Amino acid sequence: TQLLEQSPQFLSIQEGENLTVYCNSSSVFSSLQWYRQEPGEGPVLLVTVVTGGEVKKLKRLTFQFGDARKDSSLHITAAQPGDTGLYLCAGAPREYGNKLVFGAGTILRVKS
Amino acid sequence: GAVVSQHPSRVICKSGTSVKIECRSLDFQATTMFWYRQFPKQSLMLMATSNEGSKATYEQGVEKDKFLINHASLTLSTLTVTSAHPEDSSFYICSAPDRTRTVTDTQYFGPGTRLTVL
Repeated sequence: TQLLEQSPQFLSIQEGENLTVYCNSSSVFSSLQWYRQEPGEGPVLLVTVVTGGEVKKLKRLTFQFGDARKDSSLHITAAQPGDTGLYLCAGAPREYGNKLVFGAGTILRVKS
Repeated sequence: GAVVSQHPSRVICKSGTSVKIECRSLDFQATTMFWYRQFPKQSLMLMATSNEGSKATYEQGVEKDKFLINHASLTLSTLTVTSAHPEDSSFYICSAPDRTRTVTDTQYFGPGTRLTVL
């Protein structure tokens, strides 16, 4: 069992559709990060959420941190083909020191 | 800000040779850096934590004599894959947290190094 359960693992949708990716854990995180990675490149930081209940928006992307700081979600509105990629949630549980724990990742494909 | 570079981006080597990969924090100092390995369409797997001025700490199942890590300065960590074999072929990525930022456990990733062992 992974410390950070990320779902879904694969998502193939049409341009213009909405989608939500979830990251859940039984551990408390001081912060959670969301990254996007394209093939052959390193992960690029999208956002860090810190406060329980926090909502952050980045254009068509909305990130939410659960009140108890154990879960997070990424919602994309009107997905575009350029959103295609691997989305990763990550965080450092208190008991892990400064090591990041990653979700399994969500491979998103947006078809035009 | 918070830029991490890696060199080389791609390397092809013969079985039995050693390969060195460099990870640099370009605009901040990093007392700690992390090395990951990633297989196609999968998430990142932490290999080891590189500590400036002291020994690296390795995750369970990672051979420290196989993957040598040196954190020579506050901006440079190197990973050397010794006596590489085809099963070592993978995408290697490093990361570093920028402790000067408000959220200190956010990590910034390098662009990765694709290693192919023939």
